[in-house]
Amino acid sequence: KAGVTQTPRYLIKTRGQQVTLSCSPISGHRSVSWYQQTPGQGLQFLFEYFSETQRNKGNFPGRFSGRQFSNSRSEMNVSTLELGDSALYLCASSRIQGNTEAFFGQGTRLTVV
Amino acid sequence: DQQVKQNSPSLSVQEGRISILNCDYTNSMFDYFLWYKKYPAEGPTFLISISSIKDKNEDGRFTVFLNKSAKHLSLHIVPSQPGDSAVYFCAAMSSGSQGNLIFGKGTKLSVKP
Repeated sequence: KAGVTQTPRYLIKTRGQQVTLSCSPISGHRSVSWYQQTPGQGLQFLFEYFSETQRNKGNFPGRFSGRQFSNSRSEMNVSTLELGDSALYLCASSRIQGNTEAFFGQGTRLTVV
Repeated sequence: DQQVKQNSPSLSVQEGRISILNCDYTNSMFDYFLWYKKYPAEGPTFLISISSIKDKNEDGRFTVFLNKSAKHLSLHIVPSQPGDSAVYFCAAMSSGSQGNLIFGKGTKLSVKP
């Protein structure tokens, strides 16, 4: 079956702009989580969505937001981009809430210039 | 403050020998632990997990050991193969914060033929 699909794979944005990233989970998976990976901080949890509701949130500013649609697809939005937002953004899906055995997509590489 | 630590950034092992990857955690509320493998330009791939009610879980060449009193877990790969060369991430979560996986910064394993 198809894996987790993230689009776009690569993105270059300018400081101050906003960006929307998309994640399509594995068919039948209802939980989607987002992570930011940077060389200095490693993988950090952003938020988790289950049944269109945000269930858990990490320690990121309000510029980072997300949503989940009825088909479980999720989008992540970052507004007023800063240089430090340059990172690999990973989406993970799991069948149930809780992220046990979460399956990751290939990520979206965001570069802010 | 890092709650999950992988103190060895890299490890080099000869093909056929055992690879031992270590992970320490500080939060006693963690009750579920996972190991992920990551190749360059790909998202992390789930390898194996262990619940805090167990002290060992085995899946083929991969075995994870959990020492709750020492807040330490390790991943053993036997025998190591060149295809195992990747970055290995240890992750932990607590039932009370489902969805929030806390990752270590990873250990780069190189298996030499």
